Amino acid sequence: KNEVEQSPQNLTAQEGEFITINCSYSVGISALHWLQQHPGGGIVSLFMLSSGKKKHGRLIATINIQEKHSSLHITASHPRDSAVYICAAPERENPDRGSTLGRLYFGRGTQLTVWP
Amino acid sequence: DGGITQSPKYLFRKEGQNVTLSCEQNLNHDAMYWYRQDPGQGLRLIYYSQIVNDFQKGDIAEGYSVSREKKESFPLTVTSAQKNPTAFYLCASSIFRGAGELFFGEGSRLTVL
Repeated sequence: KNEVEQSPQNLTAQEGEFITINCSYSVGISALHWLQQHPGGGIVSLFMLSSGKKKHGRLIATINIQEKHSSLHITASHPRDSAVYICAAPERENPDRGSTLGRLYFGRGTQLTVWP
Repeated sequence: DGGITQSPKYLFRKEGQNVTLSCEQNLNHDAMYWYRQDPGQGLRLIYYSQIVNDFQKGDIAEGYSVSREKKESFPLTVTSAQKNPTAFYLCASSIFRGAGELFFGEGSRLTVL
């Protein structure tokens, strides 16, 4: 069983469509990361969030701590959004004491392809 | 600009040779990590370091070695003991282990001939 599960594994969309990628996790976490991996392999951090919602341009990330679920939305998708999107969750080792240091669990990634 | 620099981007190795991948950061981060990525799989942790002169094995440390003599540098050596070294290797850092934004290098693609 993976501690972090992403869906879908592959996603194809037409330019302009609204995209949603989902991430569920089973560990107690302090925050959740959404990452973008370019075709060349480099990874950039899109969001780090511990509650609510964050927005950056056409990207929106939401998290529901109680349900242990996060979503990444892309509005008005564009071919340049084509990439692998990865969620990652650092485990909170001692939730009772509020410790936030722990190992990082990665989802397997969602390959997004946006066609013009 | 602050960031992580990995080198080389591509590396070819003959079987039986050790190779060292470089990772340098100028973000003043304490925590640094090495991950391996294989096609269709998620990132797997090889080694991590929380502070200078200290490092810990990750999930797949066998056949790899690291050092952390300086805060900025965390080189990874792929030894001849690693049975299947052909992979994409990513170095990352964060301000502390498990905390703060993650920064990644551009990766190093190692191919064993």
